[in-house]
Amino acid sequence: QKEVEQDPGPLSVPEGAIVSLNCTYSNSAFQYFMWYRQYSRKGPELLMYTYSSGNKEDGRFTAQVDKSSKYISLFIRDSQPSDSATYLCAMRYLRGKLIFGQGTELSVKP
Amino acid sequence: EAGVTQFPSHSVIEKGQTVTLRCDPISGHDNLYWYRRVMGKEIKFLLHFVKESKQDESGMPNNRFLAERTGGTYSTLKVQPAELEDSGVYFCASSQEWLGGTDTQYFGPGTRLTVL
Repeated sequence: QKEVEQDPGPLSVPEGAIVSLNCTYSNSAFQYFMWYRQYSRKGPELLMYTYSSGNKEDGRFTAQVDKSSKYISLFIRDSQPSDSATYLCAMRYLRGKLIFGQGTELSVKP
Repeated sequence: EAGVTQFPSHSVIEKGQTVTLRCDPISGHDNLYWYRRVMGKEIKFLLHFVKESKQDESGMPNNRFLAERTGGTYSTLKVQPAELEDSGVYFCASSQEWLGGTDTQYFGPGTRLTVL
């Protein structure tokens, strides 16, 4: 069983839609939860990270962590064609290596 | 400030040959990580350097892979001899010293390795 599960999609939505991306994990020792965005032929770029359960908002993006359910989410409001990319969840212990989900390919259609 | 750079961007080699990938981290970043993404799979950790020392090499697949970071600056990852299953995208990431919390890892664009 993988430590982090993420539906690879692809996910296609119309411009302006609310997007919900999710990951589940099995290791309760994970302390930090990240969302990376990766455009084609580029490296992953950190969007947000959270430490505790609850919500964290940054502009159109909201990251949500539910440690009791071992479930994290990323919400994108008013999605734009420029949001089309692969979104990767990642987790880690206090420090060191990241453990990634498979990534969800998102396409936002004009 | 320059980001993490990787060279080459793409390499095509024959099975049994040797390939060396290079990563230049962001200046001043002590932590350097190597990751790999095989087609259809998630990005997986290979190795972590703190300055020139290997902090964690639990992800290295086998002894055909050799990573070095001489002088604590750039790093190389050599695959010798390459096998078909080594094909994938190799990412390098760097971060500053941990300061009471977690560190942000900045990724390079990756090296796409194809072994024929």
